[in-house]
Amino acid sequence: QVQLVESGGGVVQPGRSLRLSCAASGFTFSNYGMHWVRQAPGKALEWVAGISYDTDNKYSADSVEGRFTISRDNSKNTLYLQMNSLRAEDTAVYYCARPRHPYSSDDPFDSWGQGTLVTVSS
Amino acid sequence: DIQMTQSPSSLSASVGDRVTITCQASQDINIYLNWYQQKPGKAPNLLIYRASNLETGVPSRFSGSGSGTDFTFTINRLQPEDIATYYCQQYDNLVTFGGGTKVEIK
Repeated sequence: QVQLVESGGGVVQPGRSLRLSCAASGFTFSNYGMHWVRQAPGKALEWVAGISYDTDNKYSADSVEGRFTISRDNSKNTLYLQMNSLRAEDTAVYYCARPRHPYSSDDPFDSWGQGTLVTVSS
Repeated sequence: DIQMTQSPSSLSASVGDRVTITCQASQDINIYLNWYQQKPGKAPNLLIYRASNLETGVPSRFSGSGSGTDFTFTINRLQPEDIATYYCQQYDNLVTFGGGTKVEIK
């Protein structure tokens, strides 16, 4: 079955960097667009970034534009989120999510990882 | 950017009640609207896609309707296991989530 496992979270100081990973299995990763969604403690879900199956298209929220970069390695079935210049307001659980259909980034998210917690604090 | 305004932010209802949540988009999003359920400490779970389509395996007491800018999510005959926070999500232009509705049992 589809499995998405995030890793790389932890405590980091403001201004520092962190890279999250999402290891995918149970489906043909290279055929699917992928996304990152985050949730600050006690807050609503917030879409962070998305990437097409072939890496040709990348999208990100205004709140992270210029600081976060989404990427993927289809040979390793892994999605990444490089987070630079981290701020306290980036503290959240970060989820990777897969759209329902292959070759589409614009689709309902029918598979989610369990999330990884990023805490930005001095 | 498309903003999604979800209401109410929380509600309390009795088992067996009908519960209705609304979501309003800041611009026309056609029917590109999904609804998710999230229980504490868990990832969201897709319930309704493209405004009114029930995801496979989801109980039929859940339903959705609407198009354009105004959408409604309904739980008929609320069950104790429906206690959760519900989110709308537009995907007409990038992705935006609503602010969530926390559903509690009275």
